[in-house]
Amino acid sequence: DQQVKQNSPSLSVQEGRISILNCDYTNSMFDYFLWYKKYPAEGPTFLISISSIKDKNEDGRFTVFLNKSAKHLSLHIVPSQPGDSAVYFCAASQPSNSKLTFGKGITLSVRP
Amino acid sequence: DAGVIQSPRHEVTEMGQEVTLRCKPISGHNSLFWYRQTMMRGLELLIYFNNNVPIDDSGMPEDRFSAKMPNASFSTLKIQPSEPRDSAVYFCASRSTGRANIQYFGAGTRLSVL
Repeated sequence: DQQVKQNSPSLSVQEGRISILNCDYTNSMFDYFLWYKKYPAEGPTFLISISSIKDKNEDGRFTVFLNKSAKHLSLHIVPSQPGDSAVYFCAASQPSNSKLTFGKGITLSVRP
Repeated sequence: DAGVIQSPRHEVTEMGQEVTLRCKPISGHNSLFWYRQTMMRGLELLIYFNNNVPIDDSGMPEDRFSAKMPNASFSTLKIQPSEPRDSAVYFCASRSTGRANIQYFGAGTRLSVL
């Protein structure tokens, strides 16, 4: 039973355009959501997060949107750069619980 | 800060052998997590510790897997005996409780069991 789903395994965009990475979840108890970025042969690195009390969080070129009613979040990267090419993982946690539940990831390729 | 340190980075072993993976968390972090990444199952949590105490080991696949955290700066994940299906990348992560639930990952150990 996959509680965090990233249904698209890959995404390719042109440099300078917007990248939109989607994530859906099924567990209504999740209250904190994170995006991690992973390059080959490295561990995942934290990118941006959002609490369920917000619907948007922005950090430079990265913005995460949360739609609680739809149990959906998305990561927007504007403008996309070739260095953004990586695997992006969506993750979620419940209140007072250290565990993170990860999606399977989406591979983003940004074409020069 | 050196970040989470894992060793070895690569391990190649033969079926039946014992494998020990090591992790040094970020200093001051009091939660430690072991994950396994495979193509089929993605990133799975195997076990996690709070203040060196195992809290949830429900993700440990079999009795062949065991994990210890003898002190705040060191943890091991042991597989005995190893099998080809254990081939995966194993990650260790740590976090500081009391702050946002952000885990910091090591570079991982790529395990190949022949």
